[in-house]
Amino acid sequence: VRLEQSGAQVRKPGSSVMVSCKTSGVSFSSASISWVRQAPGQGLEWMGGILGMMRTTRYAQKFQGRVTITADELMTTVSMHLDSLKSEDTAVYYCARGRGYHLILTSFDLWGQGTQVIVSS
Amino acid sequence: DIVMTQTPLSLSVTPGQPASMSCKSSQSLLHTDGKTYLSWYLQRPGQSPQLLISEVSSRFSGVPDRFSGSGSGTDFTLKISRVEAEDVGVYYCIQSVQLPLTFGGGTKVEIK
Repeated sequence: VRLEQSGAQVRKPGSSVMVSCKTSGVSFSSASISWVRQAPGQGLEWMGGILGMMRTTRYAQKFQGRVTITADELMTTVSMHLDSLKSEDTAVYYCARGRGYHLILTSFDLWGQGTQVIVSS
Repeated sequence: DIVMTQTPLSLSVTPGQPASMSCKSSQSLLHTDGKTYLSWYLQRPGQSPQLLISEVSSRFSGVPDRFSGSGSGTDFTLKISRVEAEDVGVYYCIQSVQLPLTFGGGTKVEIK
């Protein structure tokens, strides 16, 4: 099983970006998918996630109102949409599979390869 | 939010020597189910993070037994018994007992 993410993108400030994460044909209905980002030279930051079984989403307060995480009907592709981009959103965005049926009480056993998003005018 | 603090910021280790790093949380990571939700990840240069240890001390499949985790409550340690060249990278701890999930700032391990 692999998580394959969409390619690098360049966006202007104020615009939006969508990054997708495909689970190579295997449904994640019995797990969760979280999005984690890493700004240049910085550490890891959890943005939010979606529970496969219930399609429940939760977001970090910092991104509330700007981020939307969705899954397709077959639960094999998860997308992260981030609005109102700022230069500080320049980062590598990772999807990661969380084990178990919760967004908490989990660990990430599988990671995507990362997607570079550059926000620049 | 639970704050995760990792020390030291960096370690320079001679191959074959041990290494140890600390992760402290601002609140207990013990859940009512009796488990403690602290995991460790290694991010090698230019790569995605990879899971090393979950629930304080459970090594993930394929992780060498030179890696060990310990601790309880708010105080945790990751030890490498004999550092090898492939262990170079940044080590992160993360708590998953409460949303938002939060990571420590990382400990960078280099080879002397």
